[in-house]
Amino acid sequence: EVVLVESGGGLVQPGGSLRLSCAASGFSFSRYWMSWVRQAPGKGLEWVANIRQDESLKFYVDSVKGRFTGSRDNAKNSLYLEMNTLRAEDTAVYYCVRGSGSDSGLYFDNWGQGTLVTVSS
Amino acid sequence: EIVMTQSPATLSVSPGERVTLSCRASQSVGSTLAWYQQKPGQAPRLLIYAASTRATGVPARFSGTGSGTEFTLTITSLQSEDFAVYYCQQYSFWYTFGQGTKLEIK
Repeated sequence: EVVLVESGGGLVQPGGSLRLSCAASGFSFSRYWMSWVRQAPGKGLEWVANIRQDESLKFYVDSVKGRFTGSRDNAKNSLYLEMNTLRAEDTAVYYCVRGSGSDSGLYFDNWGQGTLVTVSS
Repeated sequence: EIVMTQSPATLSVSPGERVTLSCRASQSVGSTLAWYQQKPGQAPRLLIYAASTRATGVPARFSGTGSGTEFTLTITSLQSEDFAVYYCQQYSFWYTFGQGTKLEIK
């Protein structure tokens, strides 16, 4: 069974930083693209980032480019999202997601339970 | 950016009925379209990918059709556990989701 468990969310002031983690189990982590998708309270879903199996490719939605950095440790079956210069509009539940498909396009076949990030003073 | 538009925003239906949800892309996405189900307080769950392929464990009452810019998700004989919000997502050019269709009990 694929299991993805996020941690690291919490309350942070505007301009602050936070690091999210995701522990993966139940599949060959190093063989999959991994992604972050977020959902603002009461709103829809927004893709945030994709990280390729070997970290050779990383893609981000425009609104987080230069502020968020995704990474992974295949030896630890772990995914990370370093978030800097946080803004109120980054407030959301952040989901760790497994990507399937191909390098040219992914659908998201397994999701964690999410971790809430609240940016507020 | 490819904009995904779902209709209707809310659909009130009775258990046992058949329902069709629509998703339109602002430009062609081929068959690179997925559907997700999200229940309150839960993470989304993949239902359909490649426009018409059911994900592992998804009941046969869920089916997806379409290509290009017009897509539909059909649920035959609605069960109580099917009342949720449904999102479409394109993965042809980056990744964008529709705003969701809420399926509620009539």
